[in-house]
Amino acid sequence: GAGVSQSPSNKVTEKGKDVELRCDPISGHTALYWYRQRLGQGLEFLIYFQGNSAPDKSGLPSDRFSAERTGESVSTLTIQRTQQEDSAVYLCASSRTVQETQYFGPGTRLLVL
Amino acid sequence: RKEVEQDPGPFNVPEGATVAFNCTYSNSASQSFFWYRQDCRKEPKLLMSVYSSGNEDGRFTAQLNRASQYISLLIRDSKLSDSATYLCVVLSSNDYKLSFGAGTTVTVRA
Repeated sequence: GAGVSQSPSNKVTEKGKDVELRCDPISGHTALYWYRQRLGQGLEFLIYFQGNSAPDKSGLPSDRFSAERTGESVSTLTIQRTQQEDSAVYLCASSRTVQETQYFGPGTRLLVL
Repeated sequence: RKEVEQDPGPFNVPEGATVAFNCTYSNSASQSFFWYRQDCRKEPKLLMSVYSSGNEDGRFTAQLNRASQYISLLIRDSKLSDSATYLCVVLSSNDYKLSFGAGTTVTVRA
């Protein structure tokens, strides 16, 4: 079946612009997660959704970051007024329930100039 | 202290060799454990879950030691295709959050 998909696959933007990243989870997966991975570093948890609600937003780096999920499906991660330090790969993962294995999408590579 | 710590390596081994490495976790409430594999510029992919009794999947063996709070991965008869970064992943039962280690890099040479 189809895996997790993310779009765009690559995004280059100018400092100060807003960007929106999209994640389509595996159909039927109730849990959805966003992570950030800077070059050569490990995964950094950002936020997760259980259904459409986000019980844990503790990983969001600043108030410039927000995420939403609708219809227990697609999620968008929005970064406002991007900064150069936001440059990273943003990975989305989904799981059938919060306790089960997470499957990752291919990521969106964001470069802020 | 990081929630999950791994030896970053790199572990450089010849084809056919056995390589093993550990990861330690700090949260005693952790309930599920996984090894993921990440190739360069690719997303992490599940390699195997780790069960309390230890488990084997082909050339890969995972062990869990709850008392000492560590997980191990052993790769037998290494192949060139095993070259990757291996991520230790721990799920907390408190908040169902996955914590990732920074990864152990393994390079298998011909």
